[in-house]
Amino acid sequence: NAGVTQTPKFRILKIGQSMTLQCTQDMNHNYMYWYRQDPGMGLKLIYYSVGAGITDKGEVPNGYNVSRSTTEDFPLRLELAAPSQTSVYFCASTPDRANQPQHFGDGTRLSIL
Amino acid sequence: GQNIDQPTEMTATEGAIVQINCTYQTSGFNGLFWYQQHAGEAPTFLSYNVLDGLEEKGRFSSFLSRSKGYSYLLLKELQMKDSASYLCAAPNQAGTALIFGKGTTLSVSS
Repeated sequence: NAGVTQTPKFRILKIGQSMTLQCTQDMNHNYMYWYRQDPGMGLKLIYYSVGAGITDKGEVPNGYNVSRSTTEDFPLRLELAAPSQTSVYFCASTPDRANQPQHFGDGTRLSIL
Repeated sequence: GQNIDQPTEMTATEGAIVQINCTYQTSGFNGLFWYQQHAGEAPTFLSYNVLDGLEEKGRFSSFLSRSKGYSYLLLKELQMKDSASYLCAAPNQAGTALIFGKGTTLSVSS
Protein backbone atom coordinates (compact mmCIF):
# COMPACT_ATOMS: atom_id res chain seq x y z
CA ASN A 1 0.00 0.00 0.00
CA ALA A 2 1.88 3.09 -1.26
CA GLY A 3 -0.26 5.81 0.39
CA VAL A 4 0.88 9.30 -0.68
CA THR A 5 3.85 9.37 -3.06
CA GLN A 6 5.82 12.50 -3.85
CA THR A 7 8.44 12.93 -6.56
CA PRO A 8 11.16 14.03 -6.75
CA LYS A 9 12.61 13.71 -3.24
CA PHE A 10 15.29 16.33 -3.87
CA ARG A 11 15.77 19.01 -6.50
CA ILE A 12 17.99 22.00 -7.12
CA LEU A 13 16.65 24.70 -9.41
CA LYS A 14 18.10 27.89 -10.79
CA ILE A 15 16.27 31.18 -10.30
CA GLY A 16 13.61 31.61 -12.97
CA GLN A 17 13.31 27.93 -13.85
CA SER A 18 10.00 26.12 -13.59
CA MET A 19 9.14 22.68 -12.33
CA THR A 20 6.29 20.48 -11.21
CA LEU A 21 6.23 18.61 -7.92
CA GLN A 22 4.25 15.44 -8.30
CA CYS A 23 1.87 13.99 -5.72
CA THR A 24 -0.26 10.91 -6.12
CA GLN A 25 -2.32 8.87 -3.66
CA ASP A 26 -3.86 5.42 -4.03
CA MET A 27 -6.35 5.59 -1.16
CA ASN A 28 -9.20 7.17 -3.16
CA HIS A 29 -9.09 10.24 -0.90
CA ASN A 30 -11.06 13.26 -2.03
CA TYR A 31 -9.15 15.93 -0.08
CA MET A 32 -5.55 16.72 -0.93
CA TYR A 33 -3.20 19.43 0.34
CA TRP A 34 0.13 21.04 -0.42
CA TYR A 35 2.22 22.51 2.40
CA ARG A 36 5.62 24.11 2.61
CA GLN A 37 7.80 23.95 5.69
CA ASP A 38 10.68 26.33 6.23
CA PRO A 39 13.41 25.53 8.80
CA GLY A 40 12.10 25.72 12.37
CA MET A 41 8.62 26.53 11.21
CA GLY A 42 5.33 24.71 11.06
CA LEU A 43 3.48 23.77 7.91
CA LYS A 44 1.97 26.50 5.78
CA LEU A 45 -0.86 25.61 3.44
CA ILE A 46 -0.25 26.51 -0.20
CA TYR A 47 -3.27 25.03 -1.99
CA TYR A 48 -5.83 22.38 -1.31
CA SER A 49 -8.45 20.42 -3.22
CA VAL A 50 -11.69 18.85 -2.02
CA GLY A 51 -12.16 16.75 -5.14
CA ALA A 52 -11.29 16.36 -8.79
CA GLY A 53 -11.72 19.64 -10.65
CA ILE A 54 -11.83 21.74 -7.46
CA THR A 55 -8.88 23.66 -6.02
CA ASP A 56 -8.58 26.56 -3.59
CA LYS A 57 -5.87 28.81 -2.23
CA GLY A 58 -4.34 28.38 1.20
CA GLU A 59 -2.24 30.80 3.25
CA VAL A 60 0.72 31.18 0.85
CA PRO A 61 -0.39 30.53 -2.77
CA ASN A 62 1.65 33.23 -4.54
CA GLY A 63 4.15 31.80 -7.01
CA TYR A 64 2.43 28.41 -7.22
CA ASN A 65 -0.28 26.77 -9.27
CA VAL A 66 -2.12 23.47 -8.91
CA SER A 67 -4.50 21.29 -10.85
CA ARG A 68 -6.66 18.31 -9.91
CA SER A 69 -7.77 16.49 -13.01
CA THR A 70 -8.06 13.11 -11.26
CA THR A 71 -8.76 11.95 -7.72
CA GLU A 72 -5.28 10.42 -7.49
CA ASP A 73 -3.03 13.26 -8.65
CA PHE A 74 -2.44 16.76 -7.30
CA PRO A 75 0.64 18.33 -8.92
CA LEU A 76 2.14 21.62 -7.69
CA ARG A 77 3.79 23.89 -10.26
CA LEU A 78 6.38 26.58 -9.72
CA GLU A 79 6.47 28.84 -12.78
CA LEU A 80 9.36 31.21 -12.02
CA ALA A 81 11.42 29.80 -9.17
CA ALA A 82 12.66 32.31 -6.59
CA PRO A 83 15.07 31.81 -3.66
CA SER A 84 12.16 32.42 -1.26
CA GLN A 85 10.64 29.17 -2.50
CA THR A 86 13.50 27.12 -1.10
CA SER A 87 11.69 24.83 1.32
CA VAL A 88 10.47 21.33 2.03
CA TYR A 89 7.15 20.61 0.35
CA PHE A 90 4.69 18.08 1.73
CA CYS A 91 1.63 16.68 0.06
CA ALA A 92 -1.13 15.17 2.20
CA SER A 93 -4.59 13.68 1.85
CA THR A 94 -7.71 12.88 3.88
CA PRO A 95 -10.76 10.82 2.85
CA ASP A 96 -13.48 13.45 2.74
CA ARG A 97 -13.00 16.25 5.26
CA ALA A 98 -10.27 18.19 7.05
CA ASN A 99 -10.96 16.89 10.56
CA GLN A 100 -9.55 13.48 9.74
CA PRO A 101 -5.92 12.38 10.23
CA GLN A 102 -3.84 13.52 7.29
CA HIS A 103 -1.68 11.05 5.38
CA PHE A 104 1.58 12.72 4.36
CA GLY A 105 4.03 11.99 1.60
CA ASP A 106 7.75 11.90 2.40
CA GLY A 107 8.31 15.42 1.13
CA THR A 108 10.29 17.12 -1.63
CA ARG A 109 13.36 19.11 -0.60
CA LEU A 110 13.71 21.98 -3.04
CA SER A 111 16.62 24.43 -3.23
CA ILE A 112 16.61 27.42 -5.55
CA LEU A 113 19.98 29.01 -6.23
CA GLY B 1 -9.08 34.57 11.66
CA GLN B 2 -7.20 31.70 13.24
CA ASN B 3 -4.11 31.65 15.40
CA ILE B 4 -2.32 28.73 17.00
CA ASP B 5 0.44 29.26 19.55
CA GLN B 6 2.82 26.77 21.11
CA PRO B 7 6.27 27.07 22.71
CA THR B 8 9.21 26.91 20.34
CA GLU B 9 11.45 24.57 22.29
CA MET B 10 11.40 22.31 25.33
CA THR B 11 13.96 20.04 26.93
CA ALA B 12 13.49 17.07 29.22
CA THR B 13 15.33 13.98 30.46
CA GLU B 14 14.69 10.32 29.82
CA GLY B 15 11.99 8.84 32.01
CA ALA B 16 10.44 12.21 32.81
CA ILE B 17 7.02 13.61 31.96
CA VAL B 18 6.61 16.64 29.71
CA GLN B 19 3.56 18.72 28.84
CA ILE B 20 3.45 20.66 25.56
CA ASN B 21 0.83 23.39 25.53
CA CYS B 22 -1.14 24.81 22.61
CA THR B 23 -3.54 27.74 22.61
CA TYR B 24 -5.77 28.44 19.67
CA GLN B 25 -8.16 31.09 18.43
CA THR B 26 -10.56 29.92 15.75
CA SER B 27 -13.76 31.14 14.15
CA GLY B 28 -15.81 28.07 14.91
CA PHE B 29 -14.26 24.92 16.34
CA ASN B 30 -13.95 21.56 14.65
CA GLY B 31 -11.42 19.63 16.69
CA LEU B 32 -7.71 19.85 17.46
CA PHE B 33 -4.89 17.63 16.22
CA TRP B 34 -1.42 16.76 17.43
CA TYR B 35 1.24 15.49 15.05
CA GLN B 36 4.79 14.28 15.67
CA GLN B 37 7.55 15.10 13.22
CA HIS B 38 11.07 13.68 13.47
CA ALA B 39 13.84 15.66 11.83
CA GLY B 40 13.89 15.14 8.08
CA GLU B 41 10.64 13.19 8.06
CA ALA B 42 6.97 13.82 7.40
CA PRO B 43 4.51 14.52 10.22
CA THR B 44 2.64 11.56 11.65
CA PHE B 45 -0.74 11.69 13.38
CA LEU B 46 -0.79 11.39 17.18
CA SER B 47 -4.20 12.46 18.42
CA TYR B 48 -7.46 14.25 17.68
CA ASN B 49 -9.67 15.86 20.33
CA VAL B 50 -13.11 17.26 19.63
CA LEU B 51 -14.64 16.99 23.11
CA ASP B 52 -13.31 18.43 26.38
CA GLY B 53 -11.17 16.20 28.52
CA LEU B 54 -8.19 13.91 28.45
CA GLU B 55 -7.67 11.14 25.92
CA GLU B 56 -4.97 8.62 26.71
CA LYS B 57 -3.11 6.54 24.16
CA GLY B 58 -0.24 4.62 25.69
CA ARG B 59 2.53 6.97 26.85
CA PHE B 60 0.88 9.91 25.07
CA SER B 61 -2.23 11.75 26.23
CA SER B 62 -3.96 14.81 24.81
CA PHE B 63 -6.21 17.24 26.66
CA LEU B 64 -8.69 19.78 25.34
CA SER B 65 -10.60 22.66 26.92
CA ARG B 66 -12.82 24.30 24.30
CA SER B 67 -13.94 27.10 26.64
CA LYS B 68 -10.31 28.12 27.23
CA GLY B 69 -9.08 27.51 23.69
CA TYR B 70 -6.38 25.31 25.15
CA SER B 71 -4.89 21.90 24.56
CA TYR B 72 -1.85 20.03 25.75
CA LEU B 73 0.04 16.91 24.80
CA LEU B 74 1.40 14.91 27.72
CA LEU B 75 4.30 12.54 27.13
CA LYS B 76 5.15 10.10 29.91
CA GLU B 77 8.21 7.92 30.49
CA LEU B 78 10.16 9.90 27.94
CA GLN B 79 12.50 8.05 25.63
CA MET B 80 15.29 9.36 23.42
CA LYS B 81 13.18 8.54 20.37
CA ASP B 82 10.59 11.09 21.54
CA SER B 83 12.98 13.87 20.51
CA ALA B 84 10.99 15.47 17.70
CA SER B 85 8.85 18.43 16.78
CA TYR B 86 5.23 18.34 17.99
CA LEU B 87 2.70 20.22 15.86
CA CYS B 88 -0.68 21.45 17.04
CA ALA B 89 -3.29 21.95 14.29
CA ALA B 90 -6.94 22.86 13.89
CA PRO B 91 -9.31 22.86 10.90
CA ASN B 92 -10.01 26.21 9.26
CA GLN B 93 -13.41 27.84 9.57
CA ALA B 94 -14.70 26.20 6.39
CA GLY B 95 -13.54 22.79 7.61
CA THR B 96 -11.62 22.25 4.39
CA ALA B 97 -7.99 22.34 5.55
CA LEU B 98 -5.78 22.33 8.66
CA ILE B 99 -3.97 25.34 10.11
CA PHE B 100 -0.75 24.31 11.87
CA GLY B 101 1.13 25.94 14.71
CA LYS B 102 4.88 26.47 14.31
CA GLY B 103 5.66 23.35 16.30
CA THR B 104 7.46 22.65 19.58
CA THR B 105 10.88 21.03 19.29
CA LEU B 106 11.38 18.61 22.16
CA SER B 107 14.89 17.46 23.03
CA VAL B 108 15.19 14.44 25.33
CA SER B 109 18.56 13.88 26.98
CA SER B 110 19.91 10.97 28.98
